[in-house]
Amino acid sequence: GAVVSQHPSRVICKSGTSVKIECRSLDFQATTMFWYRQFPKQSLMLMATSNEGSKATYEQGVEKDKFLINHASLTLSTLTVTSAHPEDSSFYICSARDVGFDEQYFGPGTRLTVT
Amino acid sequence: AQSVTQPDIHITVSEGASLELRCNYSYGATPYLFWYVQSPGQGLQLLLKYFSGDTLVQGIKGFEAEFKRSQSSFNLRKPSVHWSDAAEYFCAVGAPNTDKLIFGTGTRLQVFP
Repeated sequence: GAVVSQHPSRVICKSGTSVKIECRSLDFQATTMFWYRQFPKQSLMLMATSNEGSKATYEQGVEKDKFLINHASLTLSTLTVTSAHPEDSSFYICSARDVGFDEQYFGPGTRLTVT
Repeated sequence: AQSVTQPDIHITVSEGASLELRCNYSYGATPYLFWYVQSPGQGLQLLLKYFSGDTLVQGIKGFEAEFKRSQSSFNLRKPSVHWSDAAEYFCAVGAPNTDKLIFGTGTRLQVFP
């Protein structure tokens, strides 16, 4: 149980285009989902926290207009990188918190490459 | 501000040897402490966590960690490493009553047969 999936696992897009990454909790309901960014050989940096049915809370320094987060249901959150640039290339990881539990369950990540 | 330091970027051990991965944190009170393992193509998996109580915490896959308040440390240990333990290990700290986790930079474990 407690599986989180991400789609796609890898995506290559051209500079200036937008790309959407999906995060789904497969066997539990998640009122809260988190989006992280991981640079090579570096730590995971929390980008934003999304709660179902409400606006996401972004961490300081994260551009909310560039990284659009939607948490439309208890099992799905999406991250859209708008007008992507090469510096947005990174590994994006989502996690979901099961209702009533303190643990976060992590997805396998999405490798974004912007050319 | 909260922070987590994992001093060892890369550790290599022989299979069957003991292992200790270091983690030091900075936080004003007793935080929630976690160890995660990340294998290629897989999400981070929780190995163990400390919220309160007994400072020696047992986790999955034979791992344990000890919370030492005086040293602000939460080191991960395993008495005998298996080749399948090769992965990236992350220590994380969370403030009680919040959802946020602060991760260390990770330690890559390589296991030789």
